[in-house]
Amino acid sequence: DAGVIQSPRHEVTEMGQEVTLRCKPISGHNSLFWYRQTMMRGLELLIYFNNNVPIDDSGMPEDRFSAKMPNASFSTLKIQPSEPRDSAVYFCASSLEAGGVYGYTFGSGTRLTVV
Amino acid sequence: SQQGEEDPQALSIQEGENATMNCSYKTSINNLQWYRQNSGRGLVHLILIRSNEREKHSGRLRVTLDTSKKSSSLLITASRAADTASYFCATPGGSNYKLTFGKGTLLTVNP
Repeated sequence: DAGVIQSPRHEVTEMGQEVTLRCKPISGHNSLFWYRQTMMRGLELLIYFNNNVPIDDSGMPEDRFSAKMPNASFSTLKIQPSEPRDSAVYFCASSLEAGGVYGYTFGSGTRLTVV
Repeated sequence: SQQGEEDPQALSIQEGENATMNCSYKTSINNLQWYRQNSGRGLVHLILIRSNEREKHSGRLRVTLDTSKKSSSLLITASRAADTASYFCATPGGSNYKLTFGKGTLLTVNP
């Protein structure tokens, strides 16, 4: 298995533009998570999907952020409009089971820079 | 909010020495996990210890868990330059999902 695949690896965009981050989880994993990592706040959970259904989006910072999982093999995180404070590394992770007793597998992340 | 907090924030040692990192957490847990993150990469799951376990080994890694003190430690023996990375502890939240991470310990192993 190729692991969790995220694209793009790097994204530089201007303030106000729409940004879409993509994730392909490991086949057979029923839990998918989007995290954001910054120096100041560390790793923050944004949203959790179980069997393609959003279960907990309490970590999504604002209405500018939205996430979808149309099928078991694809998820997107969209920011519209983007702001400089959204600059961070965004990680997607998947797991066989939400409680993490099997551990999470992380993608390599998308480094987002909003100028 | 952070559930786990690692200590120290940074640790620098020589190759061959042992490295010990600690993690404290706030609420009761059913497991605690350690992850490694190399610079510019995603996190990699290292080891999981369940709340009914006190110690667990995996290769050069040794993890302990003291639920009475709400703390865990990660020991890396005979460290190598390739062990240079940030190490995070993570615990499931109250609903047993929502794995939350500390801010990590940056380990530097000097050759």
